[in-house]
Amino acid sequence: KAGVTQTPRYLIKTRGQQVTLSCSPISGHRSVSWYQQTPGQGLQFLFEYFSETQRNKGNFPGRFSGRQFSNSRSEMNVSTLELGDSALYLCASSPLTSINEQFFGPGTRLTVL
Amino acid sequence: DQQVKQNSPSLSVQEGRISILNCDYTNSMFDYFLWYKKYPAEGPTFLISISSIKDKNEDGRFTVFLNKSAKHLSLHIVPSQPGDSAVYFCAASGNAGNMLTFGGGTRLMVKP
Repeated sequence: KAGVTQTPRYLIKTRGQQVTLSCSPISGHRSVSWYQQTPGQGLQFLFEYFSETQRNKGNFPGRFSGRQFSNSRSEMNVSTLELGDSALYLCASSPLTSINEQFFGPGTRLTVL
Repeated sequence: DQQVKQNSPSLSVQEGRISILNCDYTNSMFDYFLWYKKYPAEGPTFLISISSIKDKNEDGRFTVFLNKSAKHLSLHIVPSQPGDSAVYFCAASGNAGNMLTFGGGTRLMVKP
């Protein structure tokens, strides 16, 4: 079975721009979660989608948004980028039968200049 | 407010010996705990988990212990191998679906 894939792997943007990151979960997984990893704050939960609905949301500003499609693929969007948004963005998927064990993709490294 | 803490940022162990990584939590609502291993430029890899109804779970060289009264869990790796060198994260979840709260990580170095 193919793992979680994320595209693009690396991205460079400038302040004020917006960005869209994509995640394809493991086949059959319906839950997709997004996390941000920075040296200062560690791994922080952004949001989770299940069956195209946002089920949980972390403590991030409204500039961070996401969605999930009927095939369980998910996108997250960050608008009006700030320097502090530079981070590794990780996507994780979970099977319905094991809701707590999440399988992570390799991440998208976003650099904001 | 850090709900999950890993107080040792790094740990160095000789190959063949035991590695013990520790994690403390403050939220009594957490009922499921996981350990992940992470190499640079890769996503975290799931290692082992434990439900709050248990106090021990074993999988090969990896054992996780949970002390609910102390709100403490630990990961034991025996015997440690150089390939185990990575950053280890503990994570916890409660009733809120798949929201994981991570500790800050411990960098394990296993010396040959």
